[in-house]
Amino acid sequence: QKEVEQDPGPLSVPEGAIVSLNCTYSNSAFQYFMWYRQYSRKGPELLMYTYSSGNKEDGRFTAQVDKSSKYISLFIRDSQPSDSATYLCAMSFTGGGNKLTFGTGTQLKVEL
Amino acid sequence: GAGVSQSPSNKVTEKGKDVELRCDPISGHTALYWYRQSLGQGLEFLIYFQGNSAPDKSGLPSDRFSAERTGGSVSTLTIQRTQQEDSAVYLCASSLDPGAGGNTIYFGEGSWLTVV
Repeated sequence: QKEVEQDPGPLSVPEGAIVSLNCTYSNSAFQYFMWYRQYSRKGPELLMYTYSSGNKEDGRFTAQVDKSSKYISLFIRDSQPSDSATYLCAMSFTGGGNKLTFGTGTQLKVEL
Repeated sequence: GAGVSQSPSNKVTEKGKDVELRCDPISGHTALYWYRQSLGQGLEFLIYFQGNSAPDKSGLPSDRFSAERTGGSVSTLTIQRTQQEDSAVYLCASSLDPGAGGNTIYFGEGSWLTVV
């Protein structure tokens, strides 16, 4: 069993839809949780960064962390075709530097 | 440079040959990371350099893989006697000192390695 599980998709939604992306994890020692966006043949770029449990909002993006359930989510409101990409969740331990454990990524396509 | 720079961007090599992949981190970043991304596997941690500390090599998959970082800046990842299962995208990243709040990692665009 992988430490971080993520549905690979692909997920296809119409423009303007609310998108929900999720990851589950098994190691309760993870404290830092991130979402990265990766366009085709590009490196991942950081979208959201949260510490421990709770919500964080940035524009159309909201990240949620539920440590009791070992479950994290990324919501994208008013999705746009430019949001079409692979979304990777990642997490790390306190004191682990930035040594990240990634999910496999969910491929998202937002259709016109 | 403005971002993490990696070279070559694409490399096709014959099985059994050695390859070197280069990473030039963002200026001023003391931490440097190598990850590998295989199809359907997500990103896999390989090695982490922080300042003058001994590198964390815990993710290197075999002794055919090695990396060095000269002068605290440029890093080279070397794969000896390449195998077909080494085919992947090798991503380099850098950040400020994680122990001093440098929590954002910036990735390069990767070196796409194909072993034939």
